[in-house]
Amino acid sequence: DAKTTQPNSMESNEEEPVHLPCNHSTISGTDYIHWYRQLPSQGPEYVIHGLTSNVNNRMASLAIAEDRKSSTLILHRATLRDAAVYYCILRDVGSGTYKYIFGTGTRLKVLA
Amino acid sequence: GAVVSQHPSRVICKSGTSVKIECRSLDFQATTMFWYRQFPKKSLMLMATSNEGSKATYEQGVEKDKFLINHASLTLSTLTVTSAHPEDSSFYICSARTSGARTQYFGPGTRLLVL
Repeated sequence: DAKTTQPNSMESNEEEPVHLPCNHSTISGTDYIHWYRQLPSQGPEYVIHGLTSNVNNRMASLAIAEDRKSSTLILHRATLRDAAVYYCILRDVGSGTYKYIFGTGTRLKVLA
Repeated sequence: GAVVSQHPSRVICKSGTSVKIECRSLDFQATTMFWYRQFPKKSLMLMATSNEGSKATYEQGVEKDKFLINHASLTLSTLTVTSAHPEDSSFYICSARTSGARTQYFGPGTRLLVL
C-alpha cells in the first residue's frame, strides 16, 4: 500500500498562509492525492485532490511536486475555523476497492 | 451535494447487547461504502469495504462475526456491533463513493459507548 508521511502538528497565525506538507515517495503513476480535514468529533471533510497538476478550489490549493513524491496543501489565509487534523491520503487502487489508507495526519493549530 | 448521514449520532448501550448504526447517502447512489473506527487522538482505521448487493470485505484483524455489515441498497449500509463490550467503545465513521468517482464522502460519525 502506498503510504503518506506528514508532520504531527503545525501552528499558524490567523490570516496568514499555511503550507501543509506530505511525503508519498511510494506513489504509483495512477494514484490520486487526496486531502481531507477533520474537526473534533466530526467525520472527515473533503478538501481537494489532484493527480499531477496543481489544483485550486475555494478551500485550498494543492501543489504537487514534479516527481509526485510529495505534495503541499496551501491554505491561503488561515482562520480559526481551519484548526483541524489534515490528512493526506492515497487510494489503495491496487486492491480494486479504492479504499483510503489514512496516515497520522497533521494537527493544525491556528493562533488568534 | 454528496451528503452522507449516520444514525444515531451517539449511542450508549450495556455490555452484551447489539447496536446497529445506519449510514445513508442522501443525494447520490453509493455503490461502495466504507466503515472506519477511530479511537481518541488516533487516525481513522478502515474496518471493511462493502459493495451494494455483495458481502463486505473486512480488513485484517477485524472480526466479521462481531461487526456485521449489510449494504442492501444503493443508499443504505448498516454496521451492527454484536455482543458489544467496553473495548468496542469508539467513534464509528462511514464513507461512500459512487461508481467512477475518485473521492469518498464521509458521514458525521457515531459515538458508541458500551458500559
